[in-house]
Amino acid sequence: DTGVSQNPRHKITKRGQNVTFRCDPISEHNRLYWYRQTLGQGPEFLTYFQNEAQLEKSRLLSDRFSAERPKGSFSTLEIQRTEQGDSAMYLCASSNTGKETQYFGPGTRLLVL
Amino acid sequence: GQQLNQSPQSMFIQEGEDVSMNCTSSSIFNTWLWYKQDPGEGPVLLIALYKAGELTSNGRLTAQFGITRKDSFLNISASIPSDVGIYFCAGQLFSGTYKYIFGTGTRLKVLA
Repeated sequence: DTGVSQNPRHKITKRGQNVTFRCDPISEHNRLYWYRQTLGQGPEFLTYFQNEAQLEKSRLLSDRFSAERPKGSFSTLEIQRTEQGDSAMYLCASSNTGKETQYFGPGTRLLVL
Repeated sequence: GQQLNQSPQSMFIQEGEDVSMNCTSSSIFNTWLWYKQDPGEGPVLLIALYKAGELTSNGRLTAQFGITRKDSFLNISASIPSDVGIYFCAGQLFSGTYKYIFGTGTRLKVLA
């Protein structure tokens, strides 16, 4: 069990650029979650997958955001035409059906200039 | 986005003191999780609670799932400097969704 990993750990980009983050869940976990966390707040739910199916999306996930999990293993979160308000920590977590315990990765900190 | 009510928001305590924090909601939850987060890192799971009334310990930490399924508390006994950090509760709604809603966090500072 190597834990949840996320890449990159840090990303600085200019407003208007596209960015993509990757999450590798714990290997036997079939559910994968994305959260956004801003300074002084708790993580806010963005979306989750069960295997390759995206089952729920938050209203926070505007049409500039897209997430995929094509083979039910790793997932990517893409933000198009980034805005300064997108600056935040993006967290990934995974869990397994029947044991609703989420484990988090270290996060990707995004700064949009 | 939706967040749970967590209190206190922050606290300073002396090393060796016991700490108590709680989360409340108007919604019913299926599962409660408690996490600790250090600056720049992802949350680390401390305790998981699955049944109403359940009391679970992990070393110096004890957490309980409220009988009404709408609240949970976390106690830390004999605090030490490394307990410093932000503690979050997270609840999974009792409504067929598998997403979690997080509390606003309790910032703990321990004075040696």
